[in-house]
Amino acid sequence: EDKVVQSPLSLVVHEGDTVTLNCSYEVTNFRSLLWYKQEKKAPTFLFMLTSSGIEKKSGRLSSILDKKELSSILNITATQTGDSAIYLCAAHNTGNQFYFGTGTSLTVIP
Amino acid sequence: DTAVSQTPKYLVTQMGNDKSIKCEQNLGHDTMYWYKQDSKKFLKIMFSYNNKELIINETVPNRFSPKSPDKAHLNLHINSLELGDSAVYFCASSPLWGQAFFGQGTRLTVV
Repeated sequence: EDKVVQSPLSLVVHEGDTVTLNCSYEVTNFRSLLWYKQEKKAPTFLFMLTSSGIEKKSGRLSSILDKKELSSILNITATQTGDSAIYLCAAHNTGNQFYFGTGTSLTVIP
Repeated sequence: DTAVSQTPKYLVTQMGNDKSIKCEQNLGHDTMYWYKQDSKKFLKIMFSYNNKELIINETVPNRFSPKSPDKAHLNLHINSLELGDSAVYFCASSPLWGQAFFGQGTRLTVV
């Protein structure tokens, strides 16, 4: 059975802290790993990773894929209250299916 | 212009009723999806539809049926609604290679 697992389930940090969110996957015919941020409404896209070891970066957020370990991490440095959200990881397969993890709920306290 | 739009945004209905949620995408994508997000925020895939090929998650009750009048639309019809169907339902679309784009969600409450 295809599955994606994220950890931790929830995280509370103070502004300025650095956080690392984890995602592991077991998906047949894996193609790419995606990260999304969900605030009150729809998930919004952050990163798509296809190659192992190549970091993708956007401002204070960065992410990397390890195909050998079937995992990915999302790092957020110098966290701000606006980073509070649920972070979702999804594994995409060659059949164009997206399998989501349970999400990590991040709360950043001022 | 909204890329993926779904209606209604909120839906409150009684147990046993039949309801539909509509979804339209103007991105020219090949594949459309329906996801259910429960109170624990887990996004569970229900259906995907690509060029008239329907892939159904086997755990979805057959009271749920997707209907696609054309490539830009994938509606969700639910028969005999139950309390456990209360959730947020998201429509999404994607090209054959790339990210999935989500609609704003429909919050369904069954009373």
